[in-house]
Amino acid sequence: AQKITQTQPGMFVQEKEAVTLDCTYDTSDQSYGLFWYKQPSSGEMIFLIYQGSYDEQNATEGRYSLNFQKARKSANLVISASQLGDSAMYFCAMREGPGYSSASKIIFGSGTRLSIRP
Amino acid sequence: DSGVTQTPKHLITATGQRVTLRCSPRSGDLSVYWYQQSLDQGLQFLIQYYNGEERAKGNILERFSAQQFPDLHSELNLSSLELGDSALYFCASSVGPNAGELFFGEGSRLTVL
Repeated sequence: AQKITQTQPGMFVQEKEAVTLDCTYDTSDQSYGLFWYKQPSSGEMIFLIYQGSYDEQNATEGRYSLNFQKARKSANLVISASQLGDSAMYFCAMREGPGYSSASKIIFGSGTRLSIRP
Repeated sequence: DSGVTQTPKHLITATGQRVTLRCSPRSGDLSVYWYQQSLDQGLQFLIQYYNGEERAKGNILERFSAQQFPDLHSELNLSSLELGDSALYFCASSVGPNAGELFFGEGSRLTVL
């Protein structure tokens, strides 16, 4: 069964510092996708970044990058030059199964609450 | 604005009652997902529909049911409500049955008293 683990319930980081949010996953599938979502205090879920299991390059989206280490089954989110607006809950998620096949569910980790200090 | 619309945004009801949550996916998206987020918890996958058909099922209680209609909107029905059903219920949509990016609605916050 697929599983997502986020071991950091909360983190405090100084503004402008880089921060790494940990995520490990467990799956028996060779084809899967990994996602990060941000949930600010207002409650909406905001998509940040996606990494496919066959993607050779680590995904990047602006200040966000995903440090994908397939052998270690980790998909850490790196936020460079953190800003006050980055304070939020961050969820790692995984879709198991290839994108062209029948439906597969996407499961989420328990989240990491990131607080940026001015 | 993700383009996914959920109604109602807030709902307060009593134990034993039944409620219906509604979701309109983004224009062009055929797949709808439902998630439950209890207080300070992660998102629990409930169920997925694609073009009117159920495609994947998570830990959805038997008291809960869902469907996707021909116009692609979806409804999540929660019956015999218990205090523990109080949560934020999210709907998300994607183009195909296997999501790249999921687009989330703002959620429906259900409070059971």
